[in-house]
Amino acid sequence: DTAVSQTPKYLVTQMGNDKSIKCEQNLGHDTMYWYKQDSKKFLKIMFSYNNKELIINETVPNRFSPKSPDKAHLNLHINSLELGDSAVYFCASSLNAAGGHSEQFFGPGTRLTVL
Amino acid sequence: GNSVTQMEGPVTLSEEAFLTINCTYTATGYPSLFWYVQYPGEGLQLLLKATKADDKGSNKGFEATYRKETTSFHLEKGSVQVSDSAVYFCALRSRGGSEKLVFGKGTKLTVNP
Repeated sequence: DTAVSQTPKYLVTQMGNDKSIKCEQNLGHDTMYWYKQDSKKFLKIMFSYNNKELIINETVPNRFSPKSPDKAHLNLHINSLELGDSAVYFCASSLNAAGGHSEQFFGPGTRLTVL
Repeated sequence: GNSVTQMEGPVTLSEEAFLTINCTYTATGYPSLFWYVQYPGEGLQLLLKATKADDKGSNKGFEATYRKETTSFHLEKGSVQVSDSAVYFCALRSRGGSEKLVFGKGTKLTVNP
């Protein structure tokens, strides 16, 4: 059973296009996250949702819009894609947003290449 | 703000060598500390964690001790295997408030037979 799944695994697209990446978790977790990993492997959080409410919104261009239809799903929509958006995007989830101890489980990543 | 500094890689070792990957942090209060591992082509997996000073996290032969006095959480393994080749990330999360993980820049380890 896949705990945190993402689709697609690979996404190649042209500059200026709009694309979405989907994430689903079947762990019953309350909190979900999007991270971006650049070409140098540096990982940085982008967004976090707790029970469908946005709780973390780092300095990310407003071309990126997360959407959480329910607490098991957190999708990432990107408008007007740019070359610099090429990266691996990881979804993660954790049990709750309180306490600081709950483990985050990561999805396999979506490698986005913008040409 | 919170930050994590990890030893620069890449690190290349022979099988059965001793591994240390240094990690120090800056944070307010007493954060939880983590080591994540990313095998080639895969997502991150939690390797071990420690939630308070002097705690030792351990898993798969890896260990790290939460040292408040030196604000460090160095990863060690006594005898590495080829299958340990991966990128290792040190991370922290502050207690209360935001749940975000702050990661170090990752250290790539290659173990040769």
